Amino acid sequence: SQQGEEDPQALSIQEGENATMNCSYKTSINNLQWYRQNSGRGLVHLILIRSNEREKHSGRLRVTLDTSKKSSSLLITASRAADTASYFCATDAAQGAQKLVFGQGTRLTINP
Amino acid sequence: EAGVTQSPTHLIKTRGQQATLRCSPISGHTSVYWYQQALGLGLQFLLWYDEGEERNRGNFPPRFSGRQFPNYSSELNVNALELEDSALYLCASSLGPGTTWKVEQFFGPGTRLTVL
Repeated sequence: SQQGEEDPQALSIQEGENATMNCSYKTSINNLQWYRQNSGRGLVHLILIRSNEREKHSGRLRVTLDTSKKSSSLLITASRAADTASYFCATDAAQGAQKLVFGQGTRLTINP
Repeated sequence: EAGVTQSPTHLIKTRGQQATLRCSPISGHTSVYWYQQALGLGLQFLLWYDEGEERNRGNFPPRFSGRQFPNYSSELNVNALELEDSALYLCASSLGPGTTWKVEQFFGPGTRLTVL
């Protein structure tokens, strides 16, 4: 079963705008990771946030984690056409065995 | 540093045949994971290998199997192929299981398996 659920399922914005994607999960976690996938190919690791962290930055990416609400958000600032992709959150359950559980993803389209 | 590599890129088989997919992890990584991304079903965990042993298995039938070699590369075998096995199969690698904190998984480009 899918633990993570992304919201929205699809997002279309103009180049230069900010894009925010949300992820909710159900069980306690060690970490939450965000990945990008272009055109049904491999996943690119974007950022990992640990359960004791609340916010993390990497370049134009900002990730927040609220363990009390079991939710995370990914913000991409100053979007570019190259950011067009599907974005997935993935969690590894605190009591799990190293497997990642993925959400269904958000399809982001950046319009020039 | 080379990333995770997978071969072949594409594989076309007919129902009932067997498929073998291969994965080479990032140098220094001992854990290899297999995931299936089928249309409409999202990314599903298949198998986890570490130090040559199967450590965890997802909710897939026994005809999905694999192994990990002494050099940490891995094979995924799918026997008696069914039409619904058509999917993108992704391999990931990471450092071995830690004590408290889990680690990032880095993915390969995938093998697209088509079953006719």
